[in-house]
Formats: sequence, C-alpha cells, structure tokens
Amino acid sequence: GENVEQHPSTLSVQEGDSAVIKCTYSDSASNYFPWYKQELGKRPQLIIDIRSNVGEKKDQRIAVTLNKTAKHFSLHITETQPEDSAVYFCAARGGFQKLVFGTGTRLLVSP
Amino acid sequence: DGGITQSPKYLFRKEGQNVTLSCEQNLNHDAMYWYRQDPGQGLRLIYYSQIVNDFQKGDIAEGYSVSREKKESFPLTVTSAQKNPTAFYLCASSSDRGIAFFGQGTRLTVV
Repeated sequence: GENVEQHPSTLSVQEGDSAVIKCTYSDSASNYFPWYKQELGKRPQLIIDIRSNVGEKKDQRIAVTLNKTAKHFSLHITETQPEDSAVYFCAARGGFQKLVFGTGTRLLVSP
Repeated sequence: DGGITQSPKYLFRKEGQNVTLSCEQNLNHDAMYWYRQDPGQGLRLIYYSQIVNDFQKGDIAEGYSVSREKKESFPLTVTSAQKNPTAFYLCASSSDRGIAFFGQGTRLTVV
C-alpha cells in the first residue's frame, strides 16, 4: 500500500525567508498530490495540489513540484509571513481513491 | 449550506463501550474517509469508501468499524476492542477529481 514520508517534522524560519517541505511516496500508481494547512484546533484546509501529468504548479507565494521518477514532491513557500505558521501535510492518492497523508511539518515563522 | 458535517464535536466514552461518530456530506462526493489524529501527530487512515456499499481498511482499522449504506453518510463505530481510542477523529469526502474536504472533527475522550 501507499506510504508517504514527510520532512522535516519542524521548520523554523524568519519572516521573509523561504520554506521548503519535502515528501516521498511509494505507490507508483498515485496520481494526485494535495497539500493541506492545519491551524491549531481547526480542520485541515487544501492550499495547493498537483496531478501526475504536471511537474510544477504555482499559486502566488506557494508552489509545488513533482518528480514522478524519484517519487518526490515538495511544497515551497516564499516570503513567509507569521500567518503561515501552522502544520502542513502532504498526501498522495492511489488506487481505490485511497488518500494517505504524511506525518506533518510544523512551520514556525518568526517576525 | 453545503459541506461535510461531523457530530458530535466532543464525545466521552466509558471503557468497554462502543460509540458511533457521525459524518454526513451534501457535496455529492463518492469517496469518504476516516482519519485519526493524535496530539502532534499526522493523519492516520482508519477506513475509506470509494462508493456506496463498499469500503476498505486503512492503516489502523483494528478496533473500528464503518458502514456506507447511503452516499451521504459514513458513520464510524469505535468498539471496545480499540484499546486507546482517545484522539481527534476527522472525516473527509472527495470527488473523483480528488480534492478532499474535511469535517470539523470529533474529539473522543475515554473516561
């Protein structure tokens, strides 16, 4: 079955710096890779996603890249702001629409 | 108001009791999911369902059971066989495009 690994588990940056979170997946049949942001006590919310036929997608300060050969995908946040502080989860969807999440990255942006 | 609704928000269970968590969606989504989140942990997949009357075990199904008799509903029963049920439970649904939306979650505590 699908296994998703996510690194780092915690990430501290200064406001204005960039942040990068990396994930790997195991199932070569996975075709959809979303990223979610979860603020304390709230439900996860989708922030960006990418499909297996695309290598990169950007939405303002957020971008995601996908390397299907290496089974890697990454989230890039530029010009970080304190309100970006949250837990970020990557996920991969494989057969039978099984959606498996990584273990999460706690991002702290210091002013 | 469209969306995915979980109830109750808080639930207390005595040891040896079965409890059922409700999850209802009016988004016309085929796929539904149950995840468990422990403090500081990721989202672990309990059960998922691709279509009505069909569901598959996730990574931590032991001690849990589900049913999918209606497209809109995917209740989760936490049985007495689940030895450490205290956690935050999240239900999600997704269309065939893959974008998953989460409910507000149910916080289950064993007393």
